[in-house]
Amino acid sequence: DTEVTQTPKHLVMGMTNKKSLKCEQHMGHRAMYWYKQKAKKPPELMFVYSYEKLSINESVPSRFSPECPNSSLLNLHLHALQPEDSALYLCASSQGTLKQFFGPGTRLTVL
Amino acid sequence: DQQVKQNSPSLSVQEGRISILNCDYTNSMFDYFLWYKKYPAEGPTFLISISSIKDKNEDGRFTVFLNKSAKHLSLHIVPSQPGDSAVYFCAASVYGNKLVFGAGTILRVKS
Repeated sequence: DTEVTQTPKHLVMGMTNKKSLKCEQHMGHRAMYWYKQKAKKPPELMFVYSYEKLSINESVPSRFSPECPNSSLLNLHLHALQPEDSALYLCASSQGTLKQFFGPGTRLTVL
Repeated sequence: DQQVKQNSPSLSVQEGRISILNCDYTNSMFDYFLWYKKYPAEGPTFLISISSIKDKNEDGRFTVFLNKSAKHLSLHIVPSQPGDSAVYFCAASVYGNKLVFGAGTILRVKS
């Protein structure tokens, strides 16, 4: 199984809502990542988990809260988002840091 | 500060010909480089990588060339196929730390 899965595929939420994005991998990878990608821009790193511990937070606003319940799962909890947070949110995993496998992403729209 | 640059937003190539995608970087500490391909509504897919101790790496139709003195790398696709039409991202890392992505180049292969 060389797949990273993400749910939901699409999410529309209001600025007062609380929602969560989910990511799962069964490749035994020990590093998992959240990226944000705006249209016509490259993916931007948000968070890195290594061995289920948060190792990198790229100064992401606290309205984004990551969680790694176990080595296969990664969540991104969303609360009080702004319309400018609308983007494609990508999850990735890797054994080391170099060759990262990406999921299909969640297309988030904040109204 | 854009450390990884893909200066061509798009490239159009005839089927069967060579596609050459270029990438420049500014950080001389980068020691690993990767190319990813991305179709619409999908996550990036790893294509090929190269370590800074090498100047060439081949995998089937894909070859990556690295010119460290010029801080330049390129991806050659020979022969190009219509299914290669996608966005191609160049990425780089320092000592296995986070990946830094370029802005991407849209490749269109015409049949």
